[in-house]
Amino acid sequence: AQSVAQPEDQVNVAEGNPLTVKCTYSVSGNPYLFWYVQYPNRGLQFLLKYITGDNLVKGSYGFEAEFNKSQTSFHLKKPSALVSDSALYFCAVRDIGHTGFQKLVFGTGTRLLVSP
Amino acid sequence: DADVTQTPRNRITKTGKRIMLECSQTKGHDRMYWYRQDPGLGLRLIYYSFDVKDINKGEISDGYSVSRQAQAKFSLSLESAIPNQTALYFCATSGLGAYGYTFGSGTRLTVV
Repeated sequence: AQSVAQPEDQVNVAEGNPLTVKCTYSVSGNPYLFWYVQYPNRGLQFLLKYITGDNLVKGSYGFEAEFNKSQTSFHLKKPSALVSDSALYFCAVRDIGHTGFQKLVFGTGTRLLVSP
Repeated sequence: DADVTQTPRNRITKTGKRIMLECSQTKGHDRMYWYRQDPGLGLRLIYYSFDVKDINKGEISDGYSVSRQAQAKFSLSLESAIPNQTALYFCATSGLGAYGYTFGSGTRLTVV
């Protein structure tokens, strides 16, 4: 089965500094990878996805992610963090079950805290 | 109106009680999902459905049941709630290929 790992429970960064939230994946075949963000008392919102093509994927709110096949990573990045970026971030991978049904498998989440 | 609506938003119930969480969507998606979120564990899949005739167990289906009443409605039931079912529950929908989900705002369930 496909899986993703988020090695950091929390990432702290000062406003204006670059941020990175890490994700590594384990898949058979070509990975379909996603990032979602959860603000307090809200559902998860889609940020970006990698299906194929360029290794650098641009998404919502100025976020981007770099797909690295050799390191099996899909880290989320932003050049300059904002306090409003503070939230819970989830990496996910598409899994295809034995019936062919496709669903997403999520990581454990990383809390990003941006200080003023 | 939200694309995916979950009711109730918050619920406190007693151990042993039956409770139903409801989800409706206006996306026109065939696929619907119920996930549970716990701190440090991320989101875990409870049940998923391709259409009204196709319902499948996820990784943590014990103690839960679901009903797909229509393409747009997918309900999750706890037949006899227990405290370790205290969690944040999310409904999600997707189109063909699961290229991305649309999530509801979640139901925070507390079992006392």
